[in-house]
Parts: sequence; structure tokens; C-alpha cells
Amino acid sequence: EAGVTQFPSHSVIEKGQTVTLRCDPISGHDNLYWYRRVMGKEIKFLLHFVKESKQDESGMPNNRFLAERTGGTYSTLKVQPAELEDSGVYFCASSQGARNGFSGYTFGSGTRLTVV
Amino acid sequence: AQKITQTQPGMFVQEKEAVTLDCTYDTSDQSYGLFWYKQPSSGEMIFLIYQGSYDEQNATEGRYSLNFQKARKSANLVISASQLGDSAMYFCAMLRNTGTASKLTFGTGTRLQVTL
Repeated sequence: EAGVTQFPSHSVIEKGQTVTLRCDPISGHDNLYWYRRVMGKEIKFLLHFVKESKQDESGMPNNRFLAERTGGTYSTLKVQPAELEDSGVYFCASSQGARNGFSGYTFGSGTRLTVV
Repeated sequence: AQKITQTQPGMFVQEKEAVTLDCTYDTSDQSYGLFWYKQPSSGEMIFLIYQGSYDEQNATEGRYSLNFQKARKSANLVISASQLGDSAMYFCAMLRNTGTASKLTFGTGTRLQVTL
């Protein structure tokens, strides 16, 4: 079975530009999560989708970040306009059920975003 | 609030020796899960081991074991017979389920270097 796929793997953009990150979860996983690690800090939760619905978006830093999951399949995370402090690694994860954290919580390889 | 503390920013271990990576946590929840992930230089997050808060026995997965001491709120990772390929960042994380939503809280990580 294919794992969680993220692309691009790397993105370098200028401050003020827009970037869209994409995540394809494991097929059949209703739950999709976004996390990010800003340089030197811990990995932090951004939001959680159940199918196409945002279950918890308490970790989204501000309204420059917009996450979507149309049709309940892949998800996109758009940053517009990007700021220097948005640089970091953005991880996506998916799971079969929110209660089944052990067997389903699989991470992608991450997208390394650099804003210059 | 949930909190994970990893007090060892870096650790060295000789090949074939065992090493313990420390993790303490803070939560008021009765039900939670504890994870360890490995992040090699390539960037992906690799699941290593999981311990449920109600599991009475310590989890083991091959060379990995989790020393779970609930009263002390610690969940240390023990790697036996270290290999050069074990050199990586290691993250401890706690899963909190709130109804249908779930999120992981991560520690700041420990960088393990295995030497000859």
C-alpha cells in the first residue's frame, strides 16, 4: 500500500508569494492531519480533517494559512502571502480512525519550505 | 495542557551498545497514547513504537522497547544493540483523543549519533 505522499519535497519562495503544499493520504484513511516544525522548535499540530470536514483547526497560526480537503481525498495547505517565519518542514499524516492512533497514524516525508 | 519533555538534545552511543532516550509527559487525561518516531537525515518520520496508557506491559518492537512508568509520567525509549543506521533525530509524542478529534503533541527531539 502506498504511504502518505507529500509534494513538493522542497519549496523556496520569496516573502509575499503564495505556496501550495499537497498531501495524499493513505487510501481509505478518513483522518488527515497537518503538522509543521519551525527551525529548532518542536513539531506542532496545525489541523485535523475528518473526510472533508475540519475537525480541529486550533493549531493554524493565522489567516494566511488555508487548508482544504475537497472530496475527502487529498488535501492542500496554502500559505498566502508567505512570511519569513513560515519557513520550516510541513508534515502531513493520516489515520483510519481518530481512536485508532496506533495502526493508522502514518506521516509523509514532509515538505521543506524556505521563505527568503 | 499536554506537554512532552525531552531533556537530551544530543546523545552519543557506541555501535552495539544500548541507549536510553528520555521522555517525560504531562497530561490530565486518563486515556492517551505515547509514540516514538525516528527522523533520519532524509526527513521522513518513521513510526517506531506505541504505548497505550492502559497497557500494562511495556511495548517492544524488535530492538526498540518503551520503558513506561505511568506514575512517573515517563516513556523512555531503549534501543538495544545500536547500529550506525540508528543515527537520527528521535521524537517522543503523546496522542490525545477528544471524541472524534485527535492530535499529537511532540517533544523537541533528541539527536542520536552512533559511533564505531
